Amino acid sequence: GAVVSQHPSRVICKSGTSVKIECRSLDFQATTMFWYRQFPKKSLMLMATSNEGSKATYEQGVEKDKFLINHASLTLSTLTVTSAHPEDSSFYICSARADSGSRLEQYFGPGTRLTVT
Amino acid sequence: QKEVEQNSGPLSVPEGAIASLNCTYSDRVSQSFFWYRQYSGKSPELIMSIYSNGDKEDGRFTAQLNKASQYVSLLIRDSQPSDSATYLCAVNRQAGTALIFGKGTTLSVSS
Repeated sequence: GAVVSQHPSRVICKSGTSVKIECRSLDFQATTMFWYRQFPKKSLMLMATSNEGSKATYEQGVEKDKFLINHASLTLSTLTVTSAHPEDSSFYICSARADSGSRLEQYFGPGTRLTVT
Repeated sequence: QKEVEQNSGPLSVPEGAIASLNCTYSDRVSQSFFWYRQYSGKSPELIMSIYSNGDKEDGRFTAQLNKASQYVSLLIRDSQPSDSATYLCAVNRQAGTALIFGKGTTLSVSS
């Protein structure tokens, strides 16, 4: 299967600081990438859809000014959590969709565990 | 009605048995269907995709799709303790949109 990397895998930051998470598709091009968050023992929550070269589409209730998404190339999308607070502590996971005709497989990165102290 | 529904489980099966995981979806125009496996503390891993009615087999896994009944299932033959995980059903309504995930079914395979 296709490989998606995410960096960092784990980050601890102080309240009020910003954290940037990178998501890369390593062996395929991805016009569309997705950002999710997941709390312990809870289901995935889609935060936003990131399209290369255009503004991200945010899900209802997700603050676009707090969660900045940039999709600068066909292999890289970044999520910046600005002015992080303890309630932002979560498991953030990106995914990338392989653009291959009608096939729509979506591959996940390994995730970034964010802890805000 | 939730868009993608799964029984949360846990579903417990003995080692070597067949595990059957089920999923229903509400939107008839859904086109693509996926099964992901998620181990605790890890991200989801794609294990099967299915696009047309019928069965699709890959090793010990078989996905079954019935669009008329809006039902998709995953069978795991010869279940192993390493199959113990949460299995997520995902549906894509149309190209360009995000997957819609069910809440997942927790499978426990005992040795």
